[in-house]
Amino acid sequence: EVQLVESGGGLVQPGGSLRLSCTVSGFTFSSHSMNWVRQAPGKGLEWLSYVSSDSSTILYADSVKGRFTISRDNAKNSLYLQMNSLRAEDTAVYYCARDILYYYDSSGYPLFDYWGQGTQVTVSS
Amino acid sequence: DIQMTQSPSSLSASVGDRVTITCRASQSISRYLNWYQQKPGKAPKLLIYAASSLQSGVPSRFSGSGSGTDFTLTISSLQPEDFASYYCQQTYGTRTFGQGTKVEIK
Repeated sequence: EVQLVESGGGLVQPGGSLRLSCTVSGFTFSSHSMNWVRQAPGKGLEWLSYVSSDSSTILYADSVKGRFTISRDNAKNSLYLQMNSLRAEDTAVYYCARDILYYYDSSGYPLFDYWGQGTQVTVSS
Repeated sequence: DIQMTQSPSSLSASVGDRVTITCRASQSISRYLNWYQQKPGKAPKLLIYAASSLQSGVPSRFSGSGSGTDFTLTISSLQPEDFASYYCQQTYGTRTFGQGTKVEIK
């Protein structure tokens, strides 16, 4: 059974840092790209960051570029999100999601097929 | 960055109604468009990928269409378990989501 479990969330003061983890099981982690997505209270989904299976390609949303860093440890089946200079507007539930490609007519179409249950991050003094 | 605009942002419908949600991309994204359903307190669930392919296990009342910049998610006959929020996502560039559509009970 595929499982993604986020951890590391909590209450942090503005300007502080937090490191989220996503530990996976049930599939070969080292073969899959991964993403972080967040959802602020009462708001929609916001994609944050992508890392390829071998960490050779990393992408960020403009809203977190320069403050957040995605990384992974394939030996530990774990994905990370280092969050620095946190602001009140970073308060959200943070999800990790597996990224796979659907191949059709010579093209690969990315999709998020498995998600974790989310971890709450609250930035407040 | 590619922007995704969904409409409407919310709608009220009755069980059995046909529901249509649209998603427009700020530039052509071919068929790099997915749809997700999210219920309160839960992680999103993939419904449709590559604009029109139905994810395994998803009821056939859900369908997707479109290519280029304009896409549609259709629920042919709304069921009680379909009251939820729906999000489109482009994967042509990065992985941007639309702002969501909340489907409520009329």
